[in-house]
Amino acid sequence: GENVEQHPSTLSVQEGDSAVIKCTYSDSASNYFPWYKQELGKRPQLIIDIRSNVGEKKDQRIAVTLNKTAKHFSLHITETQPEDSAVYFCAASINPGKLIFGQGTTLQVKP
Amino acid sequence: EAGVVQSPRYKIIEKKQPVAFWCNPISGHNTLYWYLQNLGQGPELLIRYENEEAVDDSQLPKDRFSAERLKGVDSTLKIQPAELGDSAVYLCASSSVGGRNGELFFGEGSRLTVL
Repeated sequence: GENVEQHPSTLSVQEGDSAVIKCTYSDSASNYFPWYKQELGKRPQLIIDIRSNVGEKKDQRIAVTLNKTAKHFSLHITETQPEDSAVYFCAASINPGKLIFGQGTTLQVKP
Repeated sequence: EAGVVQSPRYKIIEKKQPVAFWCNPISGHNTLYWYLQNLGQGPELLIRYENEEAVDDSQLPKDRFSAERLKGVDSTLKIQPAELGDSAVYLCASSSVGGRNGELFFGEGSRLTVL
């Protein structure tokens, strides 16, 4: 079945710097790649997603890139702020509704 | 608009006891999911419902776990008997996209501790 690997597991950056989180997936049939943000003790919330017919998508300070050939996708956060501190999960889906999540990346933005 | 509501938020039980979690999805969302989230890990799908039909329960340990979604709205996840390894957060999510991929709206989760 599908497997999603996420790196790094922890990431610490200075406020204003950029942060990049990378994920690889195993099944080339995966066609949907969302990113969820989970603050401590809170629910995961979708921040951005990309479908396999698109190579890049941007929403303000957040962007996601997809390389189908290499089977990896990345989350880019620019001009990081302390409120960006959270756990970020990537996910991949072959079948609608069946998301396979990565292990998560704990991002700490230092003021 | 109210989000996905789960209860209880926290539950502490002794092993071999039963436990049940309840989920009320966002109004109008036909698809409902139960996910298991272990500490420091990503959520793992247990079961997915389309209306009242369980369309994917391949990851649900059916010897001790059961779920139902009567009338296609609220859902209950039960564990009987609970084991130490069941300690985790049980997340419910719903979506409105039916058979397509789209945003999942998660509840706050039910944190289970088995002693």
